[in-house]
Amino acid sequence: KAGVTQTPRYLIKTRGQQVTLSCSPISGHRSVSWYQQTPGQGLQFLFEYFSETQRNKGNFPGRFSGRQFSNSRSEMNVSTLELGDSALYLCASSLGRGEKEQYFGPGTRLTVT
Amino acid sequence: AQKVTQAQTEISVVEKEDVTLDCVYETRDTTYYLFWYKQPPSGELVFLIRRNSFDEQNEISGRYSWNFQKSTSSFNFTITASQVVDSAVYFCALRNYGQNFVFGPGTRLSVLP
Repeated sequence: KAGVTQTPRYLIKTRGQQVTLSCSPISGHRSVSWYQQTPGQGLQFLFEYFSETQRNKGNFPGRFSGRQFSNSRSEMNVSTLELGDSALYLCASSLGRGEKEQYFGPGTRLTVT
Repeated sequence: AQKVTQAQTEISVVEKEDVTLDCVYETRDTTYYLFWYKQPPSGELVFLIRRNSFDEQNEISGRYSWNFQKSTSSFNFTITASQVVDSAVYFCALRNYGQNFVFGPGTRLSVLP
């Protein structure tokens, strides 16, 4: 079975621009979560989608948004990029929302200049 | 509120030494799940183990073992006879049923040859 895939793997953007990151979960997995990882803040939860609905949201400004499609693929968007948005963005998928473990993708390294 | 504490920021051991990574969690729920993940230098988080709150049995998988104690809200991870390939950042995580994952800050383990 293919793992979680994320595109692009690396991205360089300028402050003020917007960016869209994509995540394809493991086949059969319906839950997709997004995380931001930085050296200072560690792994921070952004949001979780299940059956095309946002189920949980972390403490991030409204510039961060996401969506999930009927095939469970997910995208996250960051508008009006700030220097502090530079981070590794990780996507994780799981079978359900209850007790199941998450499987992570390789991440998208976003650099904002 | 959910919280995961990994008090050890960095640990260095010499190959073949045993090492224990500590994890202390906080939750008010009675149904919850605990996880350990490994993040090697390549960056992709790898799932290691899941434990539910009703099962306090310790688990052993090869050189890895986990000790879950509800009385002290701890879920510690021991690597026996460590190897250089064990060098990574290890994250402990908590999930209340239906809620998002909460990750600890991670412990960076360096195994020296």
